[in-house]
Amino acid sequence: DAGVIQSPRHEVTEMGQEVTLRCKPISGHDYLFWYRQTMMRGLELLIYFNNNVPIDDSGMPEDRFSAKMPNASFSTLKIQPSEPRDSAVYFCASTSAGGGRSYEQYFGPGTRLTVT
Amino acid sequence: LAKTTQPISMDSYEGQEVNITCSHNNIATNDYITWYQQFPSQGPRFIIQGYKTKVTNEVASLFIPADRKSSTLSLPRVSLSDTAVYYCLAITDSWGKFQFGAGTQVVVTP
Repeated sequence: DAGVIQSPRHEVTEMGQEVTLRCKPISGHDYLFWYRQTMMRGLELLIYFNNNVPIDDSGMPEDRFSAKMPNASFSTLKIQPSEPRDSAVYFCASTSAGGGRSYEQYFGPGTRLTVT
Repeated sequence: LAKTTQPISMDSYEGQEVNITCSHNNIATNDYITWYQQFPSQGPRFIIQGYKTKVTNEVASLFIPADRKSSTLSLPRVSLSDTAVYYCLAITDSWGKFQFGAGTQVVVTP
């Protein structure tokens, strides 16, 4: 398996522009998570889905952020309009509830976003 | 939401055992203790998880006392490649509320 795939790996955009980050989870996984990591705030959980349904979006910082999961193999995180303080590394992770209680998430390589 | 507290950093030499203790005083009955490792420019990687007593795998051991208010990750005979940030988190059954803490930066030197 190729693991969790994220695109783009790097994104540089100007303030006010729309940014869309993409994630393809590992096939068969029914949980998908979006995280943001900065030096100041560490690794923050933004939102997670179970079977394509958003379960907890309490970590989404504000209305400028939105996430969708139209099917089991694709999710997007959109920021509109983007601001310099959104600059961070955004990670996507997936896992499967499976039959036992395993809390192993598989993280993608991340998207480094820079908003100027 | 179980809050975890870890040391900010730890230094070690190659070949030594590194023990990182995490406190989680308000851990819930259904919470599992999970540890992740993160290298620069990479996403976190799962290391080990446990509920109580001791768990061992090919990478590390996890010790959880009976009161479950703390846990200790043990890395045997570390090498330079074990230099990373290590996160402890408590996760409620069925992926309830959870959060990554600040993590512990482990630096291994020759």
